[in-house]
Amino acid sequence: AQSVSQHNHHVILSEAASLELGCNYSYGGTVNLFWYVQYPGQHLQLLLKYFSGDPLVKGIKGFEAEFIKSKFSFNLRKPSVQWSDTAEYFCAVLGGNEKLTFGTGTRLTIIP
Amino acid sequence: NAGVTQTPKFRILKIGQSMTLQCAQDMNHNYMYWYRQDPGMGLKLIYYSVGAGITDKGEVPNGYNVSRSTTEDFPLRLELAAPSQTSVYFCASSGLGLADRKSYEQYFGPGTRLTVT
Repeated sequence: AQSVSQHNHHVILSEAASLELGCNYSYGGTVNLFWYVQYPGQHLQLLLKYFSGDPLVKGIKGFEAEFIKSKFSFNLRKPSVQWSDTAEYFCAVLGGNEKLTFGTGTRLTIIP
Repeated sequence: NAGVTQTPKFRILKIGQSMTLQCAQDMNHNYMYWYRQDPGMGLKLIYYSVGAGITDKGEVPNGYNVSRSTTEDFPLRLELAAPSQTSVYFCASSGLGLADRKSYEQYFGPGTRLTVT
């Protein structure tokens, strides 16, 4: 069975700082990897996803993530965060079934 | 398209009461899912369905039941509400399974916040 670890539970940054949120997964087969974002009071929305090919994936709102197979990682990055990026971020993996397994999430707070 | 809709948005139940959380999607998706979200715990899969008439348990199915009589609807039933079921419930759907992994994505509803006291 697959699993996902997000080690950063709460990250606080100032506007314009660079962001990197960690995500490690456990699964031996072909993986699809996702980052979802949940803005306060809203439902989950897809930020970006990886299926195959170029390990550097670009998503919406300037976010990107890099798939490093040897490290079982799929870290999310953004070079310069904005106050509007305040949200909870979830990494997820699709393994050998039709189910997504989510990490516990990282709460990101951006200070203006 | 309305996407995935859920009703109600909020509900307070007394211990032992029952209720049904409604979920509907208008994207003709075969796959539908119910999650619960608890602080610091991420999303846990309760039940899922790969098509009308087919449902299966997820990670935390105890205390819940589902049915899928149509492609559009996937209600979640709580028979005897307990305080441990206080949570935010999200329904999601996907049009594709593993046959098209490149395009796979789950679409989420706005959630139902349930409190059991």
